[in-house]
Amino acid sequence: DGGITQSPKYLFRKEGQNVTLSCEQNLNHDAMYWYRQDPGQGLRLIYYSQIVNDFQKGDIAEGYSVSREKKESFPLTVTSAQKNPTAFYLCASRERDSSGLEQFFGPGTRLTVL
Amino acid sequence: GDSVTQMEGPVTLSEEAFLTINCTYTATGYPSLFWYVQYPGEGLQLLLKATKADDKGSNKGFEATYRKETTSFHLEKGSVQVSDSAVYFCALSVSNFNKFYFGSGTKLNVKP
Repeated sequence: DGGITQSPKYLFRKEGQNVTLSCEQNLNHDAMYWYRQDPGQGLRLIYYSQIVNDFQKGDIAEGYSVSREKKESFPLTVTSAQKNPTAFYLCASRERDSSGLEQFFGPGTRLTVL
Repeated sequence: GDSVTQMEGPVTLSEEAFLTINCTYTATGYPSLFWYVQYPGEGLQLLLKATKADDKGSNKGFEATYRKETTSFHLEKGSVQVSDSAVYFCALSVSNFNKFYFGSGTKLNVKP
């Protein structure tokens, strides 16, 4: 079955540590996205990528970094510069350049800073 | 800029009640409109969509009609069930761009 996988489901980090969240898709989608969701809140866009080796900052990119070396993978690194990283992180993908097509979401990673 | 506004929750209903969750949008182009549902601790799932004015999206008893004249895409269901309890997000995507714009989400609680 095609879909998006995120790992791990739960992640704990000590303050001052960098941590990388995995996102893999086998849908052959060009575009991939990272969102942050805080309790009771909507989704805020961190980074997105429309094609391999290219990505753009979203609305809250400070303290985060990404790479897009392969079409199926879009890892997100939460750096120590992110002041309040505890949140639920969602990865998504879609076909590029077609507004009528939906985004597909992974199951999410819940990051907790201890 | 492009944006989505949806009614604040939580919305609490009894089983078999009628549901409406309001969603209005602002867009510079010709958007496609979506409703997503999120169950606790999970990612978002597409519920329905509409890609042009007057289109009606429907799925699992839920419906929404793309109203260009009122820039709205309200979600409705004639008879809700306890299993419909979740958070519902309205979203738009504008042609030739790859960004989505999400509303803040509306939590629905259905009591037996």
